[in-house]
Amino acid sequence: EDQVTQSPEALRLQEGESSSLNCSYTVSGLRGLFWYRQDPGKGPEFLFTLYSAGEEKEKERLKATLTKKESFLHITAPKPEDSATYLCAVQANQAGTALIFGKGTTLSVSS
Amino acid sequence: ETGVTQTPRHLVMGMTNKKSLKCEQHLGHNAMYWYKQSAKKPLELMFVYSLEERVENNSVPSRFSPECPNSSHLFLHLHTLQPEDSALYLCASSQDRMWRGEVGLLGKLFFGSGTQLSVL
Repeated sequence: EDQVTQSPEALRLQEGESSSLNCSYTVSGLRGLFWYRQDPGKGPEFLFTLYSAGEEKEKERLKATLTKKESFLHITAPKPEDSATYLCAVQANQAGTALIFGKGTTLSVSS
Repeated sequence: ETGVTQTPRHLVMGMTNKKSLKCEQHLGHNAMYWYKQSAKKPLELMFVYSLEERVENNSVPSRFSPECPNSSHLFLHLHTLQPEDSALYLCASSQDRMWRGEVGLLGKLFFGSGTQLSVL
């Protein structure tokens, strides 16, 4: 069964304290892995797509990496405005298959 | 107006009521989705429409009825809901493209802000 597990469930950081979020997945052929950010009261906002092991994508203080079994979202020197829930999702390599989401990691960054 | 717009933002209804959620996308996409988001649970895909044709229905109870009159509009009709149906209902859109010779659905979804539904 295709599955996505995110850890930790919640993460509290001080401003400037770098860390990583984990997304482990099992899927019958990976078409793509996606990271989203969700602020309270809003829908998820797309961040990155990763397609193959070894691929990396960066955006400001965020960097996403992918291996054959997991993805990491590295946050370098976070700021309070990075506080949000980060969602990971995978799309299996089958025509017409939509995304399978993890439960998310809620990040709180305090100044 | 740009992006994906959902109305209403909040809805409180009794179990015998009938209501509808509305979604409109201004991105020129040709695929639209309904997702359910409950506390402590992953987003659950409910319905997918690609090129205005329903392509996926994940065993959703019949008290939820989708309608996609064109590629820009999506509705979710609700009737005789249960308290456990209380959740955030999210609409999303994407651009459907070919994948390995077959129609595939990209994972780059654009979401609306959702309708927070409470069933009393």
